[in-house]
Amino acid sequence: SQQGEEDPQALSIQEGENATMNCSYKTSINNLQWYRQNSGRGLVHLILIRSNEREKHSGRLRVTLDTSKKSSSLLITASRAADTASYFCATAFTGGGNKLTFGTGTQLKVEL
Amino acid sequence: NAGVTQTPKFQVLKTGQSMTLQCAQDMNHEYMSWYRQDPGMGLRLIHYSVGAGITDQGEVPNGYNVSRSTTEDFPLRLLSAAPSQTSVYFCASSYVQGGVEKLFFGSGTQLSVL
Repeated sequence: SQQGEEDPQALSIQEGENATMNCSYKTSINNLQWYRQNSGRGLVHLILIRSNEREKHSGRLRVTLDTSKKSSSLLITASRAADTASYFCATAFTGGGNKLTFGTGTQLKVEL
Repeated sequence: NAGVTQTPKFQVLKTGQSMTLQCAQDMNHEYMSWYRQDPGMGLRLIHYSVGAGITDQGEVPNGYNVSRSTTEDFPLRLLSAAPSQTSVYFCASSYVQGGVEKLFFGSGTQLSVL
């Protein structure tokens, strides 16, 4: 499987702290996306970064991409209890069409 | 707009039974897909469709059938349920823009096969 791997598997922080989660993948990609899944719900698209981009921002989210290391990071700044969720990276591999392959996810818990 | 609607939310089957998971979208997306989510495995693609009348296999298609007779609906059929099919199933619709596919997910169906 050409699955991405998220690290860490689980992360617990205090409200107001920053949360960083990482994604590594195996082959070259066209784009990488991050999704959030609240407990018992479907996934929701957060942010997209293309293979020719190195950094993107969206509100409190910052994503970086290092294609030489085949890795991406998602930073959530000033975290809130409402950010508690699982976060998944999804990659569209070069030559794989547009289909996305999802990683195993990072469970983030933000405590008050 | 309701987005992507999946029914039922929960289902318990006995081994060997068949059933259909329903999925409907009202966003007029051409693409639809089915994933299963298992602990520690992330989401794995079962089947997908790039338009009405067109379907293709994903990573884990065995034991599942799909059809796409309309743009809106993409049902997933379990022909003879097995305990290995116990999982949470997600349907997604998507569009492609600028070579990028963006997915919209339903809220899932939790299936237990005894």
